[in-house]
Formats: sequence, structure tokens, C-alpha cells
Amino acid sequence: KAGVTQTPRYLIKTRGQQVTLSCSPISGHRSVSWYQQTPGQGLQFLFEYFSETQRNKGNFPGRFSGRQFSNSRSEMNVSTLELGDSALYLCASSPGAYSRETQYFGPGTRLLVL
Amino acid sequence: DAKTTQPNSMESNEEEPVHLPCNHSTISGTDYIHWYRQLPSQGPEYVIHGLTSNVNNRMASLAIAEDRKSSTLILHRATLRDAAVYYCILRHQETSGSRLTFGEGTQLTVNP
Repeated sequence: KAGVTQTPRYLIKTRGQQVTLSCSPISGHRSVSWYQQTPGQGLQFLFEYFSETQRNKGNFPGRFSGRQFSNSRSEMNVSTLELGDSALYLCASSPGAYSRETQYFGPGTRLLVL
Repeated sequence: DAKTTQPNSMESNEEEPVHLPCNHSTISGTDYIHWYRQLPSQGPEYVIHGLTSNVNNRMASLAIAEDRKSSTLILHRATLRDAAVYYCILRHQETSGSRLTFGEGTQLTVNP
């Protein structure tokens, strides 16, 4: 099976712009989670989607949003970009949303905000 | 959220066993203990997980204390490719879904 894919892999934006990142989960996986990784804050949970519904949300401002499509593919959007949004954005998928299940991570999208 | 505590860094020699400790004194009964590792410039990779009993797989072993307040990831023979940041994570099962709460992790250096 193909792994989790994320597009684009690298992105440069300027402050005030918005950005959309895409994640394709492993075939058959219905749960997609998003994480932000920065040197200062480490890996932080953004949100989780399961069957097109947001099931959990981390402590991020409303500028961060996401959605999941019927084929389980997911997108996250960041509006009004700030310098501090520069980070590696990671997507992970799992078959369901149970604590015993393994999450499989993609390679990430590295976003640089200038 | 229950927190985990790991040493910031550890060093090992190639082909020697490595024991990576993790404390999770506030773990709840439904929390699974997961270990992931992250190699440079890659997303985290699943290593192993368990609930109460010790677990083994082709990558590593997980030893869980009887009171579940600590656990140890064991790499039986470290290789240079095992150099990574290792995360000990409690996987919560909440009514509205579940998520991974990452701690600081342990940077493992493997010396040739």
C-alpha cells in the first residue's frame, strides 16, 4: 500500500496570505490527524477528522481550519499567515480513531512564512 | 492530558542494547503507551505500543511497569540507523476521538 502523501512538500508564503495543505491517507484509513512541528514548541496536535467530521481540536487559533472529504483525503487551511506559522505540518492517518490503533505519518509540508 | 517525561538525550554504541525510559505517573486506565521515532527530515514512525503487558516486535521491545507509571523501550542491538528522536506517547481515547500528545522526546545518538 502507498503511504501517507502530503502536498506540497515545501511552500514559501508571505505574511497575511493564506495557504492550503493537502493530505492523502493510506487507502482504507478513515481517520486523519494534523500536527504542527516547530523547534520551540515541538509536535503539537491541530485537529483530527474521522468520516468527514472533526472529532478533536487542539489549542490553535481559528485561523487554522481543516476538512475531510468523502474519500478521506484531508486539507488544512491557514489564513492570515503569521511569521510564527513557519513550521513542518504533518499529517497522520489510521484505520479508525481508537487509542489502540497506530498512526502513520506522512513526510510533512515545510511552510516558511516571510 | 497525561504527560510523559523522558531524558533529553541518550548515547549508545553500535550493536549494544539501548534502554529508553519514560515516566507517565498520571496515566489513566484507558491510555495506551505508544512509542514513535522521528529520523531527521522525516515524519514520525511507529515503533511499538502496549497497554499492560510487555510487547515485542521486530523493531523493539516495550517493558511496562506493573503500576503502569513508567515504561522502557528496548532496542536490542542499536544501529546507526536507529539514531533519532524517540517519543513516548500516551494515546487517549476520548469521547470525541483520540489524539497523540507528544512530549519532548529523547534524542538518541548511536556511536560507531
